Amino acid sequence: TQLLEQSPQFLSIQEGENLTVYCNSSSVFSSLQWYRQEPGEGPVLLVTVVTGGEVKKLKRLTFQFGDARKDSSLHITAAQPGDTGLYLCAGATGTYKYIFGTGTRLKVLA
Amino acid sequence: ETGVTQTPRHLVMGMTNKKSLKCEQHLGHNAMYWYKQSAKKPLELMFVYNFKEQTENNSVPSRFSPECPNSSHLFLHLHTLQPEDSALYLCASSQDGTPEETQYFGPGTRLLVL
Repeated sequence: TQLLEQSPQFLSIQEGENLTVYCNSSSVFSSLQWYRQEPGEGPVLLVTVVTGGEVKKLKRLTFQFGDARKDSSLHITAAQPGDTGLYLCAGATGTYKYIFGTGTRLKVLA
Repeated sequence: ETGVTQTPRHLVMGMTNKKSLKCEQHLGHNAMYWYKQSAKKPLELMFVYNFKEQTENNSVPSRFSPECPNSSHLFLHLHTLQPEDSALYLCASSQDGTPEETQYFGPGTRLLVL
């Protein structure tokens, strides 16, 4: 069974702190996506990474895809309360073949 | 911004009831998905439709029956569910179903089976 493990599972930090969320698997993915989900809403796509070693930045968020395309990380600089939510990674192994990670629940305290 | 709507937002049903979940997308997409999100498990892909044809059924029990009458609408018909089927059911759509595409999710239907 393919699995995407995310760590940490829960994270509570103060506003202004930095954090990194990890997404790891033994499977190779053709692409990997990061989503954020807020209570009462569906996940919203943050980024898609496709190439091994790729780094993408979205304001204070930096996403990296592992060289072997098996893992990814999300780094948030100077976290803000608006970053609070459930962060999900999702790997694609083919058309219609998506595996979602176990999720990281982030709370940023003001 | 999402153009995917789901109704109802909340549903409570007994194990002998029959109900349907509805999803509608206004994005002109060709692929639509049903996902199950449980408290203790990762988001699970249940069904995929592309151009109204079912392309994936990830070993979902027959008490869940999808229907896609056109590329804008997707239903999930429920009958004789079990308490462990209680979860958030999410609908999503994407342009053509290729892996790098953005999937747009609806807000979900929170289902409680008593």
